[in-house]
Amino acid sequence: GENVEQHPSTLSVQEGDSAVIKCTYSDSASNYFPWYKQELGKRPQLIIDIRSNVGEKKDQRIAVTLNKTAKHFSLHITETQPEDSAVYFCAASQAGTALIFGKGTTLSVSS
Amino acid sequence: EAQVTQNPRYLITVTGKKLTVTCSQNMNHEYMSWYRQDPGLGLRQIYYSMNVEVTDKGDVPEGYKVSRKEKRNFPLILESPSPNQTSLYFCASSPADTEETQYFGPGTRLLVL
Repeated sequence: GENVEQHPSTLSVQEGDSAVIKCTYSDSASNYFPWYKQELGKRPQLIIDIRSNVGEKKDQRIAVTLNKTAKHFSLHITETQPEDSAVYFCAASQAGTALIFGKGTTLSVSS
Repeated sequence: EAQVTQNPRYLITVTGKKLTVTCSQNMNHEYMSWYRQDPGLGLRQIYYSMNVEVTDKGDVPEGYKVSRKEKRNFPLILESPSPNQTSLYFCASSPADTEETQYFGPGTRLLVL
């Protein structure tokens, strides 16, 4: 089955810096890669996703890149703000199968 | 308001006492699933359902049961809870499959003594 590895497990940055979180997956048939943000005490919420026919996707300060050959994808947050502090999860799936999450990255943005 | 609801939100129980955590969505979603979240282990899928009467095992199904008799409801059943099932549980739904946005419920924090 699919296995998703996520790094780093914790990340501390200064406000205004960029943050990058990386994930690798094992099943080459996976074709959907979402990222979820979970603030303290809250439920996970989708922030961005990418499908295998696209190499990069941006939404304001957030971008995701996908390298299908290497089987890895990354989340990039630019101009970080204190409200970006949260746990971020990557995931991978294909139609009809379970959605497999990485173990999460705790991002701390200090002002 | 479109939402996923879970009940109860908090539960303390004892080993072996059967319990059910309910999950309901009002978005007419076909896909529903249960996850458990443990420190350092992330979100692990317990069971999922593609539609009514269709369920399948996720990563960690041992000790759990589910049923999907109606589209809107997807209860999680622990027939004989054990302390290693102490966790934070999330129900989620999406329109059709895992390749769409998962809408999570508020979570149920379970403590098994």
